[in-house]
Amino acid sequence: DADVTQTPRNRITKTGKRIMLECSQTKGHDRMYWYRQDPGLGLRLIYYSFDVKDINKGEISDGYSVSRQAQAKFSLSLESAIPNQTALYFCATSDLSAGGKYNEQFFGPGTRLTVL
Amino acid sequence: AQSVTQLGSHVSVSEGALVLLRCNYSSSVPPYLFWYVQYPNQGLQLLLKYTTGATLVKGINGFEAEFKKSETSFHLTKPSAHMSDAAEYFCAVSDRGGSQGNLIFGKGTKLSVKP
Repeated sequence: DADVTQTPRNRITKTGKRIMLECSQTKGHDRMYWYRQDPGLGLRLIYYSFDVKDINKGEISDGYSVSRQAQAKFSLSLESAIPNQTALYFCATSDLSAGGKYNEQFFGPGTRLTVL
Repeated sequence: AQSVTQLGSHVSVSEGALVLLRCNYSSSVPPYLFWYVQYPNQGLQLLLKYTTGATLVKGINGFEAEFKKSETSFHLTKPSAHMSDAAEYFCAVSDRGGSQGNLIFGKGTKLSVKP
């Protein structure tokens, strides 16, 4: 089984709809991240969480919100989706052990979101 | 602030040829550097990383990268390309000991391998 899972893997929705993307991990990592990937722009950080009570905005948080329901779960919400939020979304994890000190991150398979 | 520049959004090589993907970074302190690979329809997978010590770092699938502080570079190489190397490659930098510990990614280089 994959260590970092994302649901759904694909989603098509309409402008104005509320969408939630979910991420679960079995790695026992404390840190979790949400990125979006757009062609030619690489990955950009939306939100990150260092533990259940610590949520931080990333580079492009406008239009998004997150919830860290448990150490293993980190959800991303689009309250009112718009077409320019069409992208590939990735969840990632890292921990505070030796690997985490260097911030090596482990990625889920991605969610492809299309907003019409 | 940290930043990463990947030179060339697309690189095409023939099977068996040398692969060279370029990455330059900007940092006020010695950074931690990473190369990730993304195969079609998959997430990112770590290829290799530089943290401390030896500046020539070996990774999976025959890839290696050399940290050159004087050139602020961390180029990725592989002596002989294979068809299975076709993917998108991302260079990333992390603040050394930074409290935020975030990765900053380059825009990616898509590698094509011709038969």
